[in-house]
Amino acid sequence: KAGVTQTPRYLIKTRGQQVTLSCSPISGHRSVSWYQQTPGQGLQFLFEYFSETQRNKGNFPGRFSGRQFSNSRSEMNVSTLELGDSALYLCASSANRQGGGYTFGSGTRLTVV
Amino acid sequence: GQSLEQPSEVTAVEGAIVQINCTYQTSGFYGLSWYQQHDGGAPTFLSYNALDGLEETGRFSSFLSRSDSYGYLLLQELQMKDSASYFCAVRDQTGANNLFFGTGTRLTVIP
Repeated sequence: KAGVTQTPRYLIKTRGQQVTLSCSPISGHRSVSWYQQTPGQGLQFLFEYFSETQRNKGNFPGRFSGRQFSNSRSEMNVSTLELGDSALYLCASSANRQGGGYTFGSGTRLTVV
Repeated sequence: GQSLEQPSEVTAVEGAIVQINCTYQTSGFYGLSWYQQHDGGAPTFLSYNALDGLEETGRFSSFLSRSDSYGYLLLQELQMKDSASYFCAVRDQTGANNLFFGTGTRLTVIP
C-alpha cells in the first residue's frame, strides 16, 4: 500500500514568487491536512480538506491556500513568498475525520532566498 | 484556545525506561495521540488514547487522564534508534476538528 506522496521534496524560491506543493494521500483516504514545521514553532496546522471541501483553516495569512481534487489529491499554494515561509511543509492523510492516526508524507522542504 | 506542553529535551540510557509527559489545556478533544519524528523524516503515528487509561503497543505505552489534563508516553528497553522527537497531539472537539500538536520532546538515547 503506497504511502502519502509529496512533491517536490526540495524547493528553492525567491522572495515574491509563488509556489505550489502537491500531496497524494493513501488510496481511500479522503481527509488531507497540511502542516508547516519550523524549528521554533513546531508543527503548525495550515488547513484540512475532506471530500474536496476545506473543513478548517489555521492561523495563517491569505497567501496560503489549498484545494483538493475529486481523487483526494491536494495542493497548497503560497503566493508572494517571504523569507519566513522557509519551512518543511507536511501533508497528512486519514480515512476519516476522527481518531488520531494520521499518515504523514516526507514533506517538502521549501527555502525562500 | 489550546496548548499542549511537553519537556523540550530528555536524555536516557540505552536499555532504560523513559516517560515523556504531555499536559494540555483544551476545551474538548476526542483523544490524545503520539507521534515520533526522526531528524529529516516524517512524523509517524505511535499510539492513540481515546479513553482514559493505558494503551500498550510493544515497547511503547501511552496513558491518558482527562481529569488531570495529562498524558504520557512510556518507552521501555530503550534503543539507540529511539533517539528522535516525540509529539503529543489532540483532535479538537470544539468544531475545528483538526489535529493540534504539542511542542515536541527531543529524546536522546546514550550508550
